[in-house]
Amino acid sequence: QVQLKESGPGLVQPSQTLSLTCTVSGFSLTSYNVHWVRQPPGKGLEWMGVIWSGGNTDYNSALKPRLSISRDTSKSQVFLTMNSLQTEDTGIYYCNRNAPLGGGFAYWGQGTLVTVSS
Amino acid sequence: NIVMTQSPKSMSISVGDRVTMNCKASQNVYNNIAWYQQKPGQSPKLLIYYASNRYNGVPDRFTGSGYGTDFTLTINSVQAEDAAFYYCQRIYNSPFTFGSGTKLEIK
Repeated sequence: QVQLKESGPGLVQPSQTLSLTCTVSGFSLTSYNVHWVRQPPGKGLEWMGVIWSGGNTDYNSALKPRLSISRDTSKSQVFLTMNSLQTEDTGIYYCNRNAPLGGGFAYWGQGTLVTVSS
Repeated sequence: NIVMTQSPKSMSISVGDRVTMNCKASQNVYNNIAWYQQKPGQSPKLLIYYASNRYNGVPDRFTGSGYGTDFTLTINSVQAEDAAFYYCQRIYNSPFTFGSGTKLEIK
């Protein structure tokens, strides 16, 4: 079955770089797009970016200067890298996959909490 | 950039009532809208896609409607387990912007 699981450091110091990994199973990264979404504590959802099945990427314009998404198809992994972290980047980070035919984000990881603090 | 505006921000409804919440896009998104339900401590769950299509296993009391810029999620005969946050999202094209959410409380 389709599964996604985020992993990475729980704590990052201000101004440092965040690196997260999304490990997927049950589908091929060359067939489906994978997105990253984050949620600050007590707040709403923010779409961060996508790596399309063909390997291209699109980013939230507000995050684009600091954000990079890549993948290793042989390992079924998608990577998120974001630099110059600040306290407002604290939150839960989710990777997810769209439903067939692109109709919404049907499969979500459990999320990983990232805290930006010294 | 496209902006998705949800209203109301919160509502308190009794079990068995009908509830309607709204999502307005700042530009025409055709039917490229999804709705999600998120309960505390859980990942969001897809309810509706392409404005009016119920996702697998979603109870038929959830109904989506709308086209262009104005969209609605209706829950008929609300149940206690429907207490959650609800988010709309523009889908199909980037940016995949979310609305700010509507909190549904059950009296």
